[in-house]
Amino acid sequence: DAGVTQSPTHLIKTRGQQVTLRCSPKSGHDTVSWYQQALGQGPQFIFQYYEEEERQRGNFPDRFSGHQFPNYSSELNVNALLLGDSALYLCASSLGQGGGPSTDTQYFGPGTRLTVL
Amino acid sequence: AQSVTQLDSHVSVSEGTPVLLRCNYSSSYSPSLFWYVQHPNKGLQLLLKYTSAATLVKGINGFEAEFKKSETSFHLTKPSAHMSDAAEYFCVVSDIGYDMRFGAGTRLTVKP
Repeated sequence: DAGVTQSPTHLIKTRGQQVTLRCSPKSGHDTVSWYQQALGQGPQFIFQYYEEEERQRGNFPDRFSGHQFPNYSSELNVNALLLGDSALYLCASSLGQGGGPSTDTQYFGPGTRLTVL
Repeated sequence: AQSVTQLDSHVSVSEGTPVLLRCNYSSSYSPSLFWYVQHPNKGLQLLLKYTSAATLVKGINGFEAEFKKSETSFHLTKPSAHMSDAAEYFCVVSDIGYDMRFGAGTRLTVKP
C-alpha cells in the first residue's frame, strides 16, 4: 500500500518565479492538507482540500493556491516567489470523516524541499 | 487561539535511560493533542493522540503521554531510550476546524 508521495523531491527557483508541487494521497484517502516547514521550525498549515474545494486556509497570502483533482491528488502553487518561501513543503492525506484531526488521522509525505535564490 | 510550546529545543539522554519531552498547550476549546516524530529525510509519523478519552495515552514504540488539563500539559515519555529514537519530535494541538498547530520541535539525541 503506497503511502503519501510528493514530487519533486527538491526544487531550486529564483525570486519572482512560480512553482507547482504535487501530492498523491495514501490509497483510500480523499483529503489533502499542505504545510510549510521552514528550517528549524514546526510545520505551518497552509490549507486543506476536500471534494476538490479548499475547506480551510491558514495564514498564508493569496500567492499560495492549490487544486485537488477528481482522483484526490493535489497541487500547491506559489506565485511571485520570495526568498522567505524557501522551506520544506509537506503534504498530508486523511480520510475526511468530518471530525477534523481528532478523527481524521493525517499521514504525511516526505516533502518537497524548495530553495529560492 | 490554539498554540503549543515545547519547553526544550534539545534533549540529550543516554541509551537505556528515560525520555521526557515537555509540551504545554493553549486552547479555548477541548483540544485534541498529538505527538509526531520526524526522522531525517522521512515524513512525519504519528506517535500518539489524545481526543478526550483516557488521559494517559499509549503510542507506538513504547511512548506514552499524559493529558493534564489543570497544568495544560501533554508531556511525552518513554521508560528506556533506544538509539533509533533519535529524531525531531513535535507536539501538536487542534481544537476547532481542520488545521493543526505544531510546536517548534524538540531534537532528541541518544548517546550510546
